[in-house]
Amino acid sequence: QKEVEQNSGPLSVPEGAIASLNCTYSDRVSQSFFWYRQYSGKSPELIMSIYSNGDKEDGRFTAQLNKASQYVSLLIRDSQPSDSATYLCAGGRYGGSQGNLIFGKGTKLSVKP
Amino acid sequence: DTEVTQTPKHLVMGMTNKKSLKCEQHMGHRAMYWYKQKAKKPPELMFVYSYEKLSINESVPSRFSPECPNSSLLNLHLHALQPEDSALYLCASSQDLDSLYQETQYFGPGTRLLVL
Repeated sequence: QKEVEQNSGPLSVPEGAIASLNCTYSDRVSQSFFWYRQYSGKSPELIMSIYSNGDKEDGRFTAQLNKASQYVSLLIRDSQPSDSATYLCAGGRYGGSQGNLIFGKGTKLSVKP
Repeated sequence: DTEVTQTPKHLVMGMTNKKSLKCEQHMGHRAMYWYKQKAKKPPELMFVYSYEKLSINESVPSRFSPECPNSSLLNLHLHALQPEDSALYLCASSQDLDSLYQETQYFGPGTRLLVL
């Protein structure tokens, strides 16, 4: 199993819908997770971090962490065309050297007007 | 303010050139990172500095040489690069290297490097 796995998409949703982005992780990943948004040609921008089991909400974004299932998700409510980007899920590495962020391959989201 | 700045934004260099990428943050962060990102791939960690000391070198070729002159600045010196080194080079910083949790990393805008 890869350490952090994401469906590469593309995921296409209509404007105003809920976009659901999913990520699973292996035992080698510590339970600190981050969602980054990356527009084409730009650098990753932090959307949200989550460390505890459950939901964390910030505006239109909700991150969910389920440690038992090793699953983390990002919900985007009222999706806008400006949300069209690649979303990167990342976790910290257990043991080994601190500072390693393990990235998934990213899910490309397209929000259609 | 969570700003990390990088210069230059774009760089074209020949395989015999020597150039440097610069990164700066004024958030008081004590950990700084260099990543390399190829098209349609996630960022790959190259180096980590903690309290101005090199903490991680992810087996990066010696043609890439990092330097941390002080806690706010991070440089990446480039020499004798290959065309396959063309990529987006990202700098990031975090508060610290926490022993229990991965600290949030904030990325700079990147330097787009083309090696001819």
